[in-house]
Amino acid sequence: KQEVTQIPAALSVPEGENLVLNCSFTDSAIYNLQWFRQDPGKGLTSLLLIQSSQREQTSGRLNASLDKSSGRSTLYIAASQPGDSATYLCAVRDGNQFYFGTGTSLTVIP
Amino acid sequence: DTGVSQDPRHKITKRGQNVTFRCDPISEHNRLYWYRQTLGQGPEFLTYFQNEAQLEKSRLLSDRFSAERPKGSFSTLEIQRTEQGDSAMYLCASSLEPGRINYGYTFGSGTRLTVV
Repeated sequence: KQEVTQIPAALSVPEGENLVLNCSFTDSAIYNLQWFRQDPGKGLTSLLLIQSSQREQTSGRLNASLDKSSGRSTLYIAASQPGDSATYLCAVRDGNQFYFGTGTSLTVIP
Repeated sequence: DTGVSQDPRHKITKRGQNVTFRCDPISEHNRLYWYRQTLGQGPEFLTYFQNEAQLEKSRLLSDRFSAERPKGSFSTLEIQRTEQGDSAMYLCASSLEPGRINYGYTFGSGTRLTVV
């Protein structure tokens, strides 16, 4: 069974700082990997989707990379803002379902 | 089409009662998924449909849980004889079938169930 781990579990940074969230998975035979954002008590908002054949995807201030062979992905957030405060979840598609990590709770301090 | 819709947003029920949740997926998505999320955890897979066929069920889906997707459109998730351990956020997602390039999930806002 695929296991997904996210480090750190929580992160607090001052506004304007660049930051990196990490995700690792145990089985490299994945179809794709998706990063989500979740605000307290809300559903999940998709941020970036990386196909297994891709190395990275970018959207605005966000950049996600994928190294399938080592079972790792990173989400880079540039020039963080207080509105970025949320939980960030990494999910890998393995077969017909996604396996999720437990998330990184990010707080950006004004 | 504005995305995946879930109803209700919140449900409080007494232990032993039955509850039913509804999910309306993105219209062109033929796959629909149910996940459950407890506090501080990532979502866990419950079941998925391709069109009207329920193709996979997790061991988390006990006999008290049943899901349907009549006509391959909206889906319902019913929990019978609710227990306090059923308290969680129930998330619905939809996607295109495998093989399409943009095979990612779109999630709804979830239904928060509290069993008292």
